Amino acid sequence: QQKVQQSPESLIVPEGGMASLNCTSSDRNVDYFWWYRQHSGKSPKMLMSIFSNGEKEEGRFTVHLNKASLHTSLHIRDSQPSDSALYLCAASDSNNRIFFGDGTQLVVKP
Amino acid sequence: EAAVTQSPRNKVTVTGGNVTLSCRQTNSHNYMYWYRQDTGHGLRLIHYSYGAGNLQIGDVPDGYKATRTTQEDFFLLLELASPSQTSLYFCASSQSQNTLYFGAGTRLSVL
Repeated sequence: QQKVQQSPESLIVPEGGMASLNCTSSDRNVDYFWWYRQHSGKSPKMLMSIFSNGEKEEGRFTVHLNKASLHTSLHIRDSQPSDSALYLCAASDSNNRIFFGDGTQLVVKP
Repeated sequence: EAAVTQSPRNKVTVTGGNVTLSCRQTNSHNYMYWYRQDTGHGLRLIHYSYGAGNLQIGDVPDGYKATRTTQEDFFLLLELASPSQTSLYFCASSQSQNTLYFGAGTRLSVL
């Protein structure tokens, strides 16, 4: 069973719109979360990390974390065509095993 | 930025063949990881290591061996390659509980 589940599988938003992506872990040993972005044909690059309950904002990107429910979400406001990519949620446990979900494919339409 | 170099970038082999994928990081990171990524999917952890001589089992280890010869070098070995191992392989490095830095990937085809 996959330890990190992401939804939706795919998402289409208009340019300038808001994209909201979700991620939940089924492993109670998980303690840290990251969001990675992977453009087509490229390797993943870390976008944002969140380790404590609450919210973190960096420019147009905001992440939330609820450690009790092991749920994190990523919100992209004023979405741009260059934001079109595969967004991967990752979680790590105390043994530094880092697991990824299957990703959300985001398409921003001009 | 952290540098992780994978080789080869592309590899074609036949069923039953022997393949070694190489990864080198020059950032003095303790942890190194091997993942596979199949079309339309996320990354699945094969093996990882926290230092030279150490090996930890990931989620999909069957058919794969790995060896960490130095802090810089981590190898993935497929001794009897099968078509189900056709995939895109990524190596990554990190310090403990920190950001993963990925190599450019190796595309492997097993015919």
